[in-house]
Amino acid sequence: DTAVSQTPKYLVTQMGNDKSIKCEQNLGHDTMYWYKQDSKKFLKIMFSYNNKELIINETVPNRFSPKSPDKAHLNLHINSLELGDSAVYFCASSQGLVARVGEQFFGPGTRLTVL
Amino acid sequence: GNSVTQMEGPVTLSEEAFLTINCTYTATGYPSLFWYVQYPGEGLQLLLKATKADDKGSNKGFEATYRKETTSFHLEKGSVQVSDSAVYFCALSEDAGGTSYGKLTFGQGTILTVHP
Repeated sequence: DTAVSQTPKYLVTQMGNDKSIKCEQNLGHDTMYWYKQDSKKFLKIMFSYNNKELIINETVPNRFSPKSPDKAHLNLHINSLELGDSAVYFCASSQGLVARVGEQFFGPGTRLTVL
Repeated sequence: GNSVTQMEGPVTLSEEAFLTINCTYTATGYPSLFWYVQYPGEGLQLLLKATKADDKGSNKGFEATYRKETTSFHLEKGSVQVSDSAVYFCALSEDAGGTSYGKLTFGQGTILTVHP
């Protein structure tokens, strides 16, 4: 069984469209994250939810809206897509708020291409 | 704020060569340090970690020692294999009284290619 899964794996869309990426984890973790990885492999956190509550909200355009319907799911909705949104988006999860004793488990990524 | 700096890549080595990827950090408090690895087409996975000064993390032949005096966490492997070709990320998480929320700050990643 896949621990952290994301759908879709690839997403190609036109500028101005609205799209969603879904993430599910079956590890029983209570904290989930969204990261953006650019073409140079630089990885930056966007959001984090703990028990469905938003706890990390980095400087991200408000076109990006995360939603956590339950502890096992964290979805990312993007409005009015722009060329600069093209990247690989990774979902991750961990048990607990503090990474000192744990680790984050990453999904396989969603490659978003905006044309 | 926190930051992590890794050596510039890409790094290209022959099989069985010695590997060092340098990592230095800036943080307030007492961070935990991590190395994550990303194989082609996959997500990141934890390679090793160290939670306090002088700890050594090790896994799959890789090692890194938490050096507080030099604020470093260099990754080493004595003999690399073709299968080690991947992107390696150094990261830190600061435990500020339990309020860090598990936020990881990543370095920029170092691409390693190992040739037969």
